[in-house]
Amino acid sequence: AQSVAQPEDQVNVAEGNPLTVKCTYSVSGNPYLFWYVQYPNRGLQFLLKYITGDNLVKGSYGFEAEFNKSQTSFHLKKPSALVSDSALYFCAVRDTLSGNTPLVFGKGTRLSVIA
Amino acid sequence: KAGVTQTPRYLIKTRGQQVTLSCSPISGHRSVSWYQQTPGQGLQFLFEYFSETQRNKGNFPGRFSGRQFSNSRSEMNVSTLELGDSALYLCASSLDSGGLQFFGPGTRLTVL
Repeated sequence: AQSVAQPEDQVNVAEGNPLTVKCTYSVSGNPYLFWYVQYPNRGLQFLLKYITGDNLVKGSYGFEAEFNKSQTSFHLKKPSALVSDSALYFCAVRDTLSGNTPLVFGKGTRLSVIA
Repeated sequence: KAGVTQTPRYLIKTRGQQVTLSCSPISGHRSVSWYQQTPGQGLQFLFEYFSETQRNKGNFPGRFSGRQFSNSRSEMNVSTLELGDSALYLCASSLDSGGLQFFGPGTRLTVL
């Protein structure tokens, strides 16, 4: 069965510093990987995805993520954090091995960017 | 293009009652998925509907059910509400089953 782990419940970073939000996954076949962000009282907004091709994926708002097959990771990164990046971040995976499997989400990482 | 809409946005019910939540997908999207979000469990998949057929189902009791109409709008029903059903219920739509999902703002259900 597919699964996603976000090992950190909370990440704190100073404004202007680089940020990393970690995600590891487990699938039987090849993964489709996604990052979503949730602001208070809002639904999830799509940030970026990895389907195939280049391991470095660039997304919205200056975020990027690197697919690492050997480490089964898909960490979210941004070179310079903004206070407005403070939100709840979700990593998600879909296993492509067997038909249309549901999207599985991690439990989320709360990012707090301090001015 | 209008996004995914969910109604109502907030709902308060008491134990034992039932509730129906509604989701209107983005125009042209034929797949609708439902998720339950709670602080401790994150997002848990409930079910997915595509062209009025349930394609996938999560690990939830039979009290949770759903359906999809010919215009792709979807409803989710929870019967015999329990305190633990208090959560944010999110709906997501995609063009096809397995496609990129776009989320609505959610319905906040509180069970007293």
